[in-house]
Amino acid sequence: AQSVTQPDIHITVSEGASLELRCNYSYGATPYLFWYVQSPGQGLQLLLKYFSGDTLVQGIKGFEAEFKRSQSSFNLRKPSVHWSDAAEYFCAVGASISGYSTLTFGKGTMLLVSP
Amino acid sequence: KAGVTQTPRYLIKTRGQQVTLSCSPISGHRSVSWYQQTPGQGLQFLFEYFSETQRNKGNFPGRFSGRQFSNSRSEMNVSTLELGDSALYLCASSFGRDEQYFGPGTRLTVT
Repeated sequence: AQSVTQPDIHITVSEGASLELRCNYSYGATPYLFWYVQSPGQGLQLLLKYFSGDTLVQGIKGFEAEFKRSQSSFNLRKPSVHWSDAAEYFCAVGASISGYSTLTFGKGTMLLVSP
Repeated sequence: KAGVTQTPRYLIKTRGQQVTLSCSPISGHRSVSWYQQTPGQGLQFLFEYFSETQRNKGNFPGRFSGRQFSNSRSEMNVSTLELGDSALYLCASSFGRDEQYFGPGTRLTVT
């Protein structure tokens, strides 16, 4: 069974500083990987996805993520954080056999942005 | 194109009652998935429907059930509510085997 680990429960970053959120997955086959963001009281918004091909994927709002098979990681990055980026971020893996309609999520990382 | 809509947005029920939540997917999306989100357990997959058939099911008791209609709209039902069922219930739709788009959720509080 697949699993996702997000080691950091909370991260505080100064506005304008760079950001990296860590995600490690466990899956026996080729994973399909996603990053979602959730603002308080809201649903999840897809930031980016990795299915195959180029291991560096670009997403919305200036985010990018790099798939590293050797490290089973899919870390999310942003070069300069804005106060509006404060939210909870979820990494998820979809099963490539049964399709992407079943996602396994990590516990999430809460991003706090300080002035 | 309109996004995924969920009704109601907020709901308060008493232990032992039952509840039905509704989800309307993005037009053209045939797959609808349901997730439960709680502070302790995080996001957990409940079930997925495709063309009116339950295709996948998570590890939840039989009190949790769902269905999908011919227009792809979906409902989930929880019977004999327990305090632990208090959660944000999220619905997501996808087109075939594509990424999932989430609705705003229904906040269920069981007292």
